[in-house]
Amino acid sequence: DTAVSQTPKYLVTQMGNDKSIKCEQNLGHDTMYWYKQDSKKFLKIMFSYNNKELIINETVPNRFSPKSPDKAHLNLHINSLELGDSAVYFCASSLGTSGFYNEQFFGPGTRLTVL
Amino acid sequence: AQKVTQAQTEISVVEKEDVTLDCVYETRDTTYYLFWYKQPPSGELVFLIRRNSFDEQNEISGRYSWNFQKSTSSFNFTITASQVVDSAVYFCALSDSSGGGADGLTFGKGTHLIIQP
Repeated sequence: DTAVSQTPKYLVTQMGNDKSIKCEQNLGHDTMYWYKQDSKKFLKIMFSYNNKELIINETVPNRFSPKSPDKAHLNLHINSLELGDSAVYFCASSLGTSGFYNEQFFGPGTRLTVL
Repeated sequence: AQKVTQAQTEISVVEKEDVTLDCVYETRDTTYYLFWYKQPPSGELVFLIRRNSFDEQNEISGRYSWNFQKSTSSFNFTITASQVVDSAVYFCALSDSSGGGADGLTFGKGTHLIIQP
């Protein structure tokens, strides 16, 4: 069974479009995250969700919005896609509501290419 | 503010050599956690180890070992008798309580390890 899954694995789209990436975890974890990995492999936190509440929001454009229908899912919606949004997006989850001390388990990533 | 520095961008060694990946961190918190993750060419992120700030004991897991030294704010990772399958990008990461406990991980820029046969 896959612990953290993401769909789609690859996403190619035109500038200006709106797209979504889905994430599901079956680990029973309490906190979920979205990370962006740029072309230089640098990983940076975008959002974290805990009990359906947005805990943090780094300096991410408001074109990006996380949505959590339940504790096991955290989807990422992106409006008006730009070339600079091209990256690999990773979903992750961790146990506990104060997750800083728990390891995070990552999904396989979604490679987004904006043309 | 948190910061993780992995000064080695790329390391290339011949199989069976030992190799150490360096990690230096910065945090104002006294309670924090350090992690290492592996990203093989297939792209997934694999958790390797977690260490809390109160436990400076070194850890060994098979060919992997970790040396945590608070005095130098370092958490180095050594692979003994490296194998081609160890080729990957390795990330060191830090998590502390400054953001209310859910800041996510602060990653270093990664070290690309190449093991040549």
